[in-house]
Amino acid sequence: AQSVTQPDIHITVSEGASLELRCNYSYGATPYLFWYVQSPGQGLQLLLKYFSGDTLVQGIKGFEAEFKRSQSSFNLRKPSVHWSDAAEYFCAVRLFGGGADGLTFGKGTHLIIQP
Amino acid sequence: DVKVTQSSRYLVKRTGEKVFLECVQDMDHENMFWYRQDPGLGLRLIYFSYDVKMKEKGDIPEGYSVSREKKERFSLILESASTNQTSMYLCASVDRGVSNIQYFGAGTRLSVL
Repeated sequence: AQSVTQPDIHITVSEGASLELRCNYSYGATPYLFWYVQSPGQGLQLLLKYFSGDTLVQGIKGFEAEFKRSQSSFNLRKPSVHWSDAAEYFCAVRLFGGGADGLTFGKGTHLIIQP
Repeated sequence: DVKVTQSSRYLVKRTGEKVFLECVQDMDHENMFWYRQDPGLGLRLIYFSYDVKMKEKGDIPEGYSVSREKKERFSLILESASTNQTSMYLCASVDRGVSNIQYFGAGTRLSVL
């Protein structure tokens, strides 16, 4: 069964510093890959997605992610974080051609921004 | 903009009560999903539906049922609520076109006392 690993439960970053959130998936083929963000008390908002093509994808709010097939990774990055980026971040995968379109989520990384 | 609306943001129910969580989407999406979210466990799929009156079990269906009588509405039912069903519940619908993106509602935080 496919699985998604986000190895960091919590990450603390100073405002203005760079950020990288890690995501690894376990699946034989290349799935669809997503990053979602959840602000406190809110639903999930899509930051970016990768289906095929250029392995560096740009998303909203200044985020980007790079797909590395050899490492089965899809890490999320931002060059300079803002206090408003404090949130929970979820990596998710979807089986290509899967009939139900269901997503498998990682357990999330809680991002804390220090002033 | 796609909109997925969950009827309640917060609910407090008593053990043994029958609980209905409602979700409506306005984009004519065929597939809809119910997840529960718990700290340290991420999101887990309870049930999904790929058409009216069609449903499939997800990873943790025990203690839940669903109803999809109309395309835009997908209801999650707790037949007899228990304290271990205290959680955040998230509904989603998916655009099966080019984007294949799941759109989420704001969530319902359910407390069962």
